[in-house]
Amino acid sequence: DVKVTQSSRYLVKRTGEKVFLECVQDMDHENMFWYRQDPGLGLRLIYFSYDVKMKEKGDIPEGYSVSREKKERFSLILESASTNQTSMYLCASRDSYYGYTFGSGTRLTVV
Amino acid sequence: GQQLNQSPQSMFIQEGEDVSMNCTSSSIFNTWLWYKQDPGEGPVLLIALYKAGELTSNGRLTAQFGITRKDSFLNISASIPSDVGIYFCAGAYGGATNKLIFGTGTLLAVQP
Repeated sequence: DVKVTQSSRYLVKRTGEKVFLECVQDMDHENMFWYRQDPGLGLRLIYFSYDVKMKEKGDIPEGYSVSREKKERFSLILESASTNQTSMYLCASRDSYYGYTFGSGTRLTVV
Repeated sequence: GQQLNQSPQSMFIQEGEDVSMNCTSSSIFNTWLWYKQDPGEGPVLLIALYKAGELTSNGRLTAQFGITRKDSFLNISASIPSDVGIYFCAGAYGGATNKLIFGTGTLLAVQP
């Protein structure tokens, strides 16, 4: 089975900190995605990547950046964390034409 | 960015009841998908629909791709406690990007 592993299940960070969320997939997939999940808003796409060093903005990229130096790893970066970035963050890897495999999520709290 | 309208937002039912939820879009999609998210986990794909009018089942779950291509429906028959979770619809236009657009989710609670 494809595994998408997010490094932390829970994180608490202070306002203004630089935050790194890490995601690793083990099946050599080219496409990886970062979503943010908030109650009543569903999943919103932050950034996605089609290949190493390639990235494209999703629907809500403001306040975020990403890094993909190796195929298996896709990192989400909060340059200066703010309280409105408190959320559940989900990483996904695409394992078929439309099939996404999600990680278990990182619940980030910014205080 | 576009989001899909999913209803109801939440459902609280008794074990054994049937469940229906739906998703609507202002745009036409080429593919509709339904995901389930268990508490504390990421979403998992339940059913994929690729053609207008298509009706597909997965155990007690049945989903339909609306004829207008702007909506989709998910039915769960004879619900059980492990059906608890958040159900998301997702649509895709196709083409080079193949990005999924997700619905707002339906929270399902099943009382034994």
